Amino acid sequence: AQKITQTQPGMFVQEKEAVTLDCTYDTSDQSYGLFWYKQPSSGEMIFLIYQGSYDEQNATEGRYSLNFQKARKSANLVISASQLGDSAMYFCAMGRGSNYKLTFGKGTLLTVNP
Amino acid sequence: GAVVSQHPSRVICKSGTSVKIECRSLDFQATTMFWYRQFPKQSLMLMATSNEGSKATYEQGVEKDKFLINHASLTLSTLTVTSAHPEDSSFYICSARPGTAVNNYGYTFGSGTRLTVV
Repeated sequence: AQKITQTQPGMFVQEKEAVTLDCTYDTSDQSYGLFWYKQPSSGEMIFLIYQGSYDEQNATEGRYSLNFQKARKSANLVISASQLGDSAMYFCAMGRGSNYKLTFGKGTLLTVNP
Repeated sequence: GAVVSQHPSRVICKSGTSVKIECRSLDFQATTMFWYRQFPKQSLMLMATSNEGSKATYEQGVEKDKFLINHASLTLSTLTVTSAHPEDSSFYICSARPGTAVNNYGYTFGSGTRLTVV
């Protein structure tokens, strides 16, 4: 069975600094997708970034980048120039299979300090 | 971008009653929608996959008779919590994945429904 591991229950970062949120995954599939979502206290799930298993370059979306190390099965999220509004829960997820169901990690609560 | 509307955002119901939650894709057709449940400070757990025009596929341990899913059209899926009990209180959230190239890998989530059973 596939598994997503986020080892950091909580992280703190100073405003304007960069932060890396860790994510490792376990799958025997060759084709899969890795996602990061942000969940603020309101509960909505906000899509941040996607990395396909066959993508050779790391994905970037504005201040978000995904450090994809396939051999290590890791997909860490890097947030540059943190902002107070970045304070939220962050979930790593993997999608695979014909229905492309998502499996989520337990999440990391990021707090950005002024 | 792809938008998924979920209603209601909050609902309080009495124990023993049923509650229906709607999930609509507003600007795309969704042959498949997903329903998740999230307990406080925990991750999202997939409950079921809703398929338009056919029966939903439930994950192991999810009672299909308690959580009724109907996907009657390409833009609407409903989750009905039947005979609700306090332990059903949770945050329920749906997601949909466009079947076209508009966003062929990104899932869009509804805003969630916080159910409280008293």
